[in-house]
Amino acid sequence: AQKITQTQPGMFVQEKEAVTLDCTYDTSDPSYGLFWYKQPSSGEMIFLIYQGSYDQQNATEGRYSLNFQKARKSANLVISASQLGDSAMYFCAMRGIYNFNKFYFGSGTKLNVKP
Amino acid sequence: DTGVSQNPRHKITKRGQNVTFRCDPISEHNRLYWYRQTLGQGPEFLTYFQNEAQLEKSRLLSDRFSAERPKGSFSTLEIQRTEQGDSAMYLCASSLYGGRYTGELFFGEGSRLTVL
Repeated sequence: AQKITQTQPGMFVQEKEAVTLDCTYDTSDPSYGLFWYKQPSSGEMIFLIYQGSYDQQNATEGRYSLNFQKARKSANLVISASQLGDSAMYFCAMRGIYNFNKFYFGSGTKLNVKP
Repeated sequence: DTGVSQNPRHKITKRGQNVTFRCDPISEHNRLYWYRQTLGQGPEFLTYFQNEAQLEKSRLLSDRFSAERPKGSFSTLEIQRTEQGDSAMYLCASSLYGGRYTGELFFGEGSRLTVL
């Protein structure tokens, strides 16, 4: 079974500072993918970044980077230079190779960016 | 707008009534998913289609729930004899197998159901 754990229900960060959102996962699949999504108050889930379990380098997409530590089973999202528009819920998700069509989501972290 | 479209965005109904939600995926996407999200939780998988075939259903999907995707285009999710526990956000997502990130999901804005 797959499980995603996000232990930070809420986080505050000052505008222009960096913030790390934690995500740990549990799976027995030999290969898997890790995703981060942003959900603003409008409700739409927006894809941010992807990390494959066999990728040699940590993923980066603009201000988003993924701190992937496979041995620790963690896939933390780092947002650099926070902006007010980054205030939203953030979800970590995983998909394993044996159940390729099912994404498992964590319970999310509510990020508030303060001006 | 070429994103995933869902309607209605909000539905308030009385317990026992039937409701239907519609999802129009991104046109070239062959996979369509339904998820349910309750307050303070992440989305939970309900069901998945590849083209018109419903290939997987979650145990969360009781016999009061039915989903269709005729002709592999739009999809409908119907809930019969609604219960208060059905109150949630119903999210539709689509994906293209073999996409850049091996099938990341593209979500609609969701349909929020409130059962009184």
